[in-house]
Amino acid sequence: EDQVTQSPEALRLQEGESSSLNCSYTVSGLRGLFWYRQDPGKGPEFLFTLYSAGEEKEKERLKATLTKKESFLHITAPKPEDSATYLCALIGGATNKLIFGTGTLLAVQP
Amino acid sequence: DTAVSQTPKYLVTQMGNDKSIKCEQNLGHDTMYWYKQDSKKFLKIMFSYNNKELIINETVPNRFSPKSPDKAHLNLHINSLELGDSAVYFCASGQGGQTQYFGPGTRLLVL
Repeated sequence: EDQVTQSPEALRLQEGESSSLNCSYTVSGLRGLFWYRQDPGKGPEFLFTLYSAGEEKEKERLKATLTKKESFLHITAPKPEDSATYLCALIGGATNKLIFGTGTLLAVQP
Repeated sequence: DTAVSQTPKYLVTQMGNDKSIKCEQNLGHDTMYWYKQDSKKFLKIMFSYNNKELIINETVPNRFSPKSPDKAHLNLHINSLELGDSAVYFCASGQGGQTQYFGPGTRLLVL
């Protein structure tokens, strides 16, 4: 069964303190690995899609990487506005349904 | 322009009532989805429609009935609401297995 596990559940950083969020997965036939950001009271906002091991995508202070077993979301010199829940999800096999992890709640303190 | 919109944003109702949530997308995607986010913030797919045809039904109770009048709209009707139906319901749209874009959510509270 396709599965996504995210760690840590929660992470508190000081402004400027770089770190990484982990998403480990098991899937039969990965078709895409997705990162979303969710702010309180809002819908998930798309960040990145990764399709194959070795692929990397970057946007401002965020960089997503992918191996055959896990994905990392690296946050460089975070700011308080980066505080949110970060969700990892995948699509595998023959269906188009997103399988989500439980998310990492990131708090960046000034 | 809002890509995926949902109405209403909030829904408070009594147990046993019937309610509907509407979703519209202007992205031109063929596929639309309903997801449920529980109190622990875990998102799980409920249904998927492709060009008005139901293609995913994740063993959701038959009190939940999705309807897609056209490929830009996907509504969710819930009969005989129960306390456990309280959650946030998200509509999403996508093209094939590509990125899915989510609406702002409908917060349902059943009293």
